[in-house]
Amino acid sequence: TQLLEQSPQFLSIQEGENLTVYCNSSSVFSSLQWYRQEPGEGPVLLVTVVTGGEVKKLKRLTFQFGDARKDSSLHITAAQPGDTGLYLCAGASAGNNRKLIWGLGTSLAVNP
Amino acid sequence: EPEVTQTPSHQVTQMGQEVILRCVPISNHLYFYWYRQILGQKVEFLVSFYNNEISEKSEIFDDQFSVERPDGSNFTLKIRSTKLEDSAMYFCASSSRVPYNEQFFGPGTRLTVL
Repeated sequence: TQLLEQSPQFLSIQEGENLTVYCNSSSVFSSLQWYRQEPGEGPVLLVTVVTGGEVKKLKRLTFQFGDARKDSSLHITAAQPGDTGLYLCAGASAGNNRKLIWGLGTSLAVNP
Repeated sequence: EPEVTQTPSHQVTQMGQEVILRCVPISNHLYFYWYRQILGQKVEFLVSFYNNEISEKSEIFDDQFSVERPDGSNFTLKIRSTKLEDSAMYFCASSSRVPYNEQFFGPGTRLTVL
């Protein structure tokens, strides 16, 4: 069974701080996607990483895919209250890239 | 910007009743999916659909579940006889093509089974 473990599960920081959240697995993924989800809403796609070692930047968010394509990280620089939300990673397996395997998410609270 | 839409946003039903959840995927997408998320738990894959047939389903997607694309725009999930444990958020998603499988999600339908 493929699993994605996200850490930390909860994170509460002050505005302006930097943070990193992690998404780890023992399985190889053909691609990995990061989503953000607000309460009562659907996940919103932030980025897809495909190549081992790939780094993608989205304004203050930096996403990295591990060299072995088993793990990923999301780094936020100078966090703002608007970054508050649930960050989810989801992986498409190498053998079946239609079904997404999900982590439980990191719930981020950025306090003003 | 194109988006996935879902109706209703909230459905309350009695145990044993049939429900149909509706989705309109992004118009040029070819792959369609249903996921569910029980409160406080992970998002779980239910089924994927391509070329008018199910391409994969999970163990959750038993005989009580069915999907249909009745016309060129709608994609539906039917639960024939709802159980209490079917209470969850149900998300529809669509993607244009593999291999990168970027799936775009609708806002969800909250199903409450009493």
